[in-house]
Amino acid sequence: EVQLVESGGGLVKPGGSLRLSCAASGFTFSNGYMSWVRLAPGKGLEWIGRMKSIIDGGTRDYAAPVKGRFTISRDDSKNMLYLQLNSLRLEDTAVYYCTFDSVGYHAFDIWGPGTKVTVSS
Amino acid sequence: EIVMTQSPLSLPVTPGEPASISCRSSQSLLHSTGYYYLDWYVQKPGQSPQLLIYLTSNRPSGVPDRFSGSGSGTDFTLKISRVEAEDVGVYYCLQVLQMPYTFGQGTKLEIK
Repeated sequence: EVQLVESGGGLVKPGGSLRLSCAASGFTFSNGYMSWVRLAPGKGLEWIGRMKSIIDGGTRDYAAPVKGRFTISRDDSKNMLYLQLNSLRLEDTAVYYCTFDSVGYHAFDIWGPGTKVTVSS
Repeated sequence: EIVMTQSPLSLPVTPGEPASISCRSSQSLLHSTGYYYLDWYVQKPGQSPQLLIYLTSNRPSGVPDRFSGSGSGTDFTLKISRVEAEDVGVYYCLQVLQMPYTFGQGTKLEIK
């Protein structure tokens, strides 16, 4: 079964840092183009960023609100995706999901359950 | 970036009645493959988002056939032929033509 499970969320102060993890199983993770999406309270879904497979260059793209503060990385030997969150702001409070296209639909058909990040003083 | 605009933002529907959600993009979502790179998702209460429609009009296996998508250029529509109570949630369109990918604001479907 294809599965993604996020972890690492928690309470952090403004300006602080956190690293989220996404454990992948049931598919060839090294081939996957992996994305992060978040849902802030009272807001809509927001795509945060994507990392291509290393074999396709490992290119990273980010949404404007997080560019320069968040960094996506991956460890294919461990089937793990990461999201490093730095310089956190109150508005980064959200549930963070990792997701990807497992069958070439140009769509996100596999999602994790999410991990909650709360930025508060 | 491509801006996605959905309407309505709130959609009360009587069970058994049809429903329609519009999604407009600030530029054409036509890819060189000939497909329009527009997907639809629903996020039901307490759940992760789930894919409803990919590439404008394609339904993944497991999605009921009462859901359909259509559109071209900059105008896209999600239709539910007969709304059921389990369809309650927030519906989003997403463009995957160009980075950064962008979602619409979401349409909250509720049962009357």
